[in-house]
This record gives sequence, C-alpha cells and structure tokens, in this order.
Amino acid sequence: DAKTTQPPSMDCAEGRAANLPCNHSTISGNEYVYWYRQIHSQGPQYIIHGLKNNETNEMASLIITEDRKSSTLILPHATLRDTAVYYCIVRVYNYGQNFVFGPGTRLSVLP
Amino acid sequence: NAGVTQTPKFQVLKTGQSMTLQCAQDMNHNSMYWYRQDPGMGLRLIYYSASEGTTDKGEVPNGYNVSRLNKREFSLRLESAAPSQTSVYFCASGVADTQYFGPGTRLTVL
Repeated sequence: DAKTTQPPSMDCAEGRAANLPCNHSTISGNEYVYWYRQIHSQGPQYIIHGLKNNETNEMASLIITEDRKSSTLILPHATLRDTAVYYCIVRVYNYGQNFVFGPGTRLSVLP
Repeated sequence: NAGVTQTPKFQVLKTGQSMTLQCAQDMNHNSMYWYRQDPGMGLRLIYYSASEGTTDKGEVPNGYNVSRLNKREFSLRLESAAPSQTSVYFCASGVADTQYFGPGTRLTVL
C-alpha cells in the first residue's frame, strides 16, 4: 500500500469548510483513497473513499487530483462535533484485508 | 441493530495474568479485525479473519491469540499480559471496502 503524508494538525472555524490534504505520490493505479475519522476515544468511523473521480456523500466530499498524487477531504460546514483525528489511507481494494492507520490529522473546529 | 460490540469496556490486569477480549457483530459481515491503539498513535492491526474459520496475523501479533468462534464472534486472548500491552483495543467488522469499528476496550497492565 502506498504511503500517505498528512499535516499533524489543523484548525477550522465552525461553519466554515474544512479542507484536509493528503499526499500519496507513490499511489498505484489500482489503489483507492479512503478517509476515516476518530472522534475522541471512539472507534474510527468511515467517511468516504474514491479511485480517481471526485466523490460526495452526506458527510463529505473527496477531491482527487488528476495525477492522483494527492487528495483533499472537504467537510463543507464544519461543526464542533467534527473535531477528530482524520486518517487518509491508500490501499488496493481488497475484501477482507486490513487498513493501516497512520497518525492522521488532528482537526480542531473552533467556535 | 447494535453493530459491533466489545466487552469489557475497561480492564486492569497484573503482569502475567490472562484474559480474553470479546467482540461480536450483528451485520452479517464475513471479515473481522482486532487493532490496538497506543496513546497518540494510529491503529495497528493485530489479527484479522477474512471469513469464518480463518485467521491471519497482522502487523503486531506477538503475545496474542484469536478465535473466530462463528460468523458473529471474534475473540482476542492475552495469555500472559505484559505492560507493553497496555492499550486501547478495537474490534472491527467489514464488508466490501468499509470497516465498522466497536467502541474499544481500554486495557491497563500493571
């Protein structure tokens, strides 16, 4: 699985969009980009994933650059409850295989 | 529909004691996983089970054993606990490309 690089921490004002970057310059053609988050002391929560097209669901949007070497998770209207550690993971779609969680980005949403 | 449940929520052991962490899921998932998370760190995979009757080692299996009792249940056993195993343990179950995590067990080994 390709290595990812994320900033260790970010702040965002409540109500504004939170844009979380992730670099994955060694990504292979068959590797997906996944995002999970972990709110304090809870188990990680799936957010979104994509291969090369931009994706949107009820929680967030995922923007993947054309060369696929980086991506951005967008929380359109951040709330205090979005304060969490966000993990960007790149891996081959492989039913039954594990995710490798790195240190992630600690997002603090400020009132 | 409870999702993934874990017991106990908290546990304190003395060095050398044994215990089993229980995990159950009611989502009919084939895959189940055990992770550990040390303070300030990301999750690391201990063991996983791609389907009932199979188990495989993850990144940090030493000191642990697992049992996939049936499709619903996946237990993690510490035979002789060590202080280095102080951690938060998460169980997860998965379908397709998504994993669902339990609330965690906070284990302290003195």
